[in-house]
Amino acid sequence: DAKTTQPPSMDCAEGRAANLPCNHSTISGNEYVYWYRQIHSQGPQYIIHGLKNNETNEMASLIITEDRKSSTLILPHATLRDTAVYYCIVGLGGSQGNLIFGKGTKLSVKP
Amino acid sequence: DAGITQSPRHKVTETGTPVTLRCHQTENHRYMYWYRQDPGHGLRLIHYSYGVKDTDKGEVSDGYSVSRSKTEDFLLTLESATSSQTSVYFCAISGGDRGPYGYTFGSGTRLTVV
Repeated sequence: DAKTTQPPSMDCAEGRAANLPCNHSTISGNEYVYWYRQIHSQGPQYIIHGLKNNETNEMASLIITEDRKSSTLILPHATLRDTAVYYCIVGLGGSQGNLIFGKGTKLSVKP
Repeated sequence: DAGITQSPRHKVTETGTPVTLRCHQTENHRYMYWYRQDPGHGLRLIHYSYGVKDTDKGEVSDGYSVSRSKTEDFLLTLESATSSQTSVYFCAISGGDRGPYGYTFGSGTRLTVV
C-alpha cells in the first residue's frame, strides 16, 4: 500500500500558485519524498524529490515539514498544461526498494 | 522521454496467445521496471530488474515473465494473455542506487486482449 495520503482532487486558477499537500506520517529517516505527475495517458513525469531540506527546480518547489511527516508541492504559476494527476511517493528506490504509487491528486487548472 | 522507448505502442491480441512487450533504454541505467496501470488501481509494479539477468517480482507478477539479456533491453512476456491483462503498461528506468534520481518512464503500451 502507498505510504502517503493526498486529496483526490484540487482546482487552481491559471497563473496562481498551486499548493498540493501530502501526508506521510510513517516515513522513515532515510526515505525520500518524490513527486511525479501524469498528464492524461502519458507516462508519469518526475518533478522533484527531497529528503529533509526544501528543494526547488525549474518545475516546482518542495516544502518538507521539520518532522518530515508532510510535504507540499508548489507550482508557482500554474498553467492549463499543469492539469494532471500528481503523485506523492516516499521510498528509497533502486536496489533498496521500489516506489509505490498511490492514487494521487487530480489537479485541474482553470482559466 | 528521450532515452527510453517502448514497443509496440498499441497491440490487440487474442486470449491465450503469448505477447512480448519491449522496453529499450539508451541511458545505461542499471534498474528497469514494468508497471501496469488500470482505472481504480493506479500504477502497480509487475517485475523489475537490477542488472543483466537479475530480475525480481513485483506485487502483480502472476501471468507475467521478464528477461534482461542486455543492459538496454527489458522484455515483458504475457505467457498466455487473458482479458484481465488488458491494461496500459509502462516501463521505467532508474540510475541511482538510492533512488535520488527518480524514475524515468516510457510512453506506455496499450494492450487489449480480446
